[in-house]
Amino acid sequence: DTGVSQDPRHKITKRGQNVTFRCDPISEHNRLYWYRQTLGQGPEFLTYFQNEAQLEKSRLLSDRFSAERPKGSFSTLEIQRTEQGDSAMYLCASSSSVVGSYEQYFGPGTRLTVT
Amino acid sequence: AQRVTQPEKLLSVFKGAPVELKCNYSYSGSPELFWYVQYSRQRLQLLLRHISRESIKGFTADLNKGETSFHLKKPFAQEEDSAMYYCALQGGGGYNKLIFGAGTRLAVHP
Repeated sequence: DTGVSQDPRHKITKRGQNVTFRCDPISEHNRLYWYRQTLGQGPEFLTYFQNEAQLEKSRLLSDRFSAERPKGSFSTLEIQRTEQGDSAMYLCASSSSVVGSYEQYFGPGTRLTVT
Repeated sequence: AQRVTQPEKLLSVFKGAPVELKCNYSYSGSPELFWYVQYSRQRLQLLLRHISRESIKGFTADLNKGETSFHLKKPFAQEEDSAMYYCALQGGGGYNKLIFGAGTRLAVHP
């Protein structure tokens, strides 16, 4: 296992188009998080899954955003009708729910540019 | 409201100098605090956690509840310490989401 992977690494799209990102967590991790990072800022929490259940969504996640984790393994984040303000780095992280586990392992991110 | 503040965008020091990266937090309850680091062209990774009270790569951080601070310190900086450092607070609700500060870039010059 090489850690959390994300695909694609870079995405350039035109305003109004839909985009979808994929995250593959560390295989034994049942917790999965999406964060968004804009220039000069730290990552901001978007949403959290435990297994296939989406248990928390940030107010940052407008109705144009949807995330899924259908089988409790990989996750997808879709942005519909992209806007220039959606340009950011989208980070995925995973962790274990085993007692004493606390570290979140981050993927390399998907950089989205909306033109 | 839960918030993490890192007042310095950039900290520039010479090799061998002491380093202190500042972090202040706002949280009603017992906080769980972390320092994450991102080296050039690498992914974000955990550096240390306040509960473990470990020294990782020579860095330490002490939680001061009175001052609501969790500053990161190293007595003698090395060039390989140059990176982005993020202080993070684990939010409540049982879901372990992280609330990050804006980050401080540490530049260690030879």
